[in-house]
Amino acid sequence: DTGVSQNPRHKITKRGQNVTFRCDPISEHNRLYWYRQTLGQGPEFLTYFQNEAQLEKSRLLSDRFSAERPKGSFSTLEIQRTEQGDSAMYLCASSVSSGTGNQPQHFGDGTRLSIL
Amino acid sequence: GESVGLHLPTLSVQEGDNSIINCAYSNSASDYFIWYKQESGKGPQFIIDIRSNMDKRQGQRVTVLLNKTVKHLSLQIAATQPGDSAVYFCAENQPGNQFYFGTGTSLTVIP
Repeated sequence: DTGVSQNPRHKITKRGQNVTFRCDPISEHNRLYWYRQTLGQGPEFLTYFQNEAQLEKSRLLSDRFSAERPKGSFSTLEIQRTEQGDSAMYLCASSVSSGTGNQPQHFGDGTRLSIL
Repeated sequence: GESVGLHLPTLSVQEGDNSIINCAYSNSASDYFIWYKQESGKGPQFIIDIRSNMDKRQGQRVTVLLNKTVKHLSLQIAATQPGDSAVYFCAENQPGNQFYFGTGTSLTVIP
């Protein structure tokens, strides 16, 4: 399978704990995106990388959230001191940048975070 | 604020009929649009895209129409099948390479 891979698929943790999610994009894709999705809503943009550079961050990304893509391949999203409101599906997507314009993003199946 | 919205949250169609899902966007500077299908427990799956220099694009059983004058996007699914039952999202690419998604339309195909 050469699609976007996310781990873990599910994470249950107590409020106040730190969690980290991993995303492995499609291998030739240099752009990587993180989104958050709550029930009944569309994905909300959090941040995106081009290679290892983090180029955009949403206002939704509070200082408890940090994302990295150290070698321009896989990425991690960490949430510190989790709160009830962090419960959501965290989606990763990747795409290839092209001189002809934007290309479609391809999504993984997400990590579902539940805060107890 | 700027947002992408869908006119109908739910849509039920008979198997074999055509489906039309609508989407309104508010940022006239958006230049790229994507339709996604999302099944329960899975991530959004790319269906079809269109750039702002086009007004129509066709794929296999799907057609996307773009009306920039009224900032409206639609997805037409021909001969809808039970496997088409899912939530459908449109996404617009606003300046800064951020994609904004609508709330989604839940399509139910009745056998």
